[in-house]
Amino acid sequence: GAVVSQHPSWVICKSGTSVKIECRSLDFQATTMFWYRQFPKQSLMLMATSNEGSKATYEQGVEKDKFLINHASLTLSTLTVTSAHPEDSSFYICSARVDNSNTGELFFGEGSRLTVL
Amino acid sequence: ILNVEQSPQSLHVQEGDSTNFTCSFPSSNFYALHWYRWETAKSPEALFVMTLNGDEKKKGRISATLNTKEGYSYLYIKGSQPEDSATYLCASLYGNKLVFGAGTILRVKS
Repeated sequence: GAVVSQHPSWVICKSGTSVKIECRSLDFQATTMFWYRQFPKQSLMLMATSNEGSKATYEQGVEKDKFLINHASLTLSTLTVTSAHPEDSSFYICSARVDNSNTGELFFGEGSRLTVL
Repeated sequence: ILNVEQSPQSLHVQEGDSTNFTCSFPSSNFYALHWYRWETAKSPEALFVMTLNGDEKKKGRISATLNTKEGYSYLYIKGSQPEDSATYLCASLYGNKLVFGAGTILRVKS
């Protein structure tokens, strides 16, 4: 199956700093990647859809300036949490489809746990 | 607001037991239903993608059914093994967005 790699797995940072999370498709090209956030005991919540070569599409309630998404190549999307605060502490996970079909299965990264002190 | 619900929240069974969980979703504007298995410290992996009412899919000891008219899907595991311990997620596709349930945590004791 297709492989998506996410880095880093864990990150601890001080309040006010920015943190970058990378999501790479290792053996396929992904024109679209999805970024999710998960709070404890809750479901994966879609934050934004990352589109290669164009602006990301953000879900309602997600701050574009807080969560910067860049999809500069067909194999890499990055999520930058800017000026992180303790309330940004969460689990972030990316995913992608191999094909462009809306019904196709998603391939997920391993996720990144962010702790902001 | 689209809401996908899974029950039970968690389940503990003995090795060899058969078990099942439920995923409920709004039936209007339905496109597809996904099931994923998420083992600790690993990436979620797709089990099934189902689109047709009455569809039934099987992979080894795991099977799933779909009722799009009433908005539910069942996941069955026959003869549970310790390696089946994981969180099982379902997600319903609306337009181009997958809406996930909170998952069912399964623990199989040997």
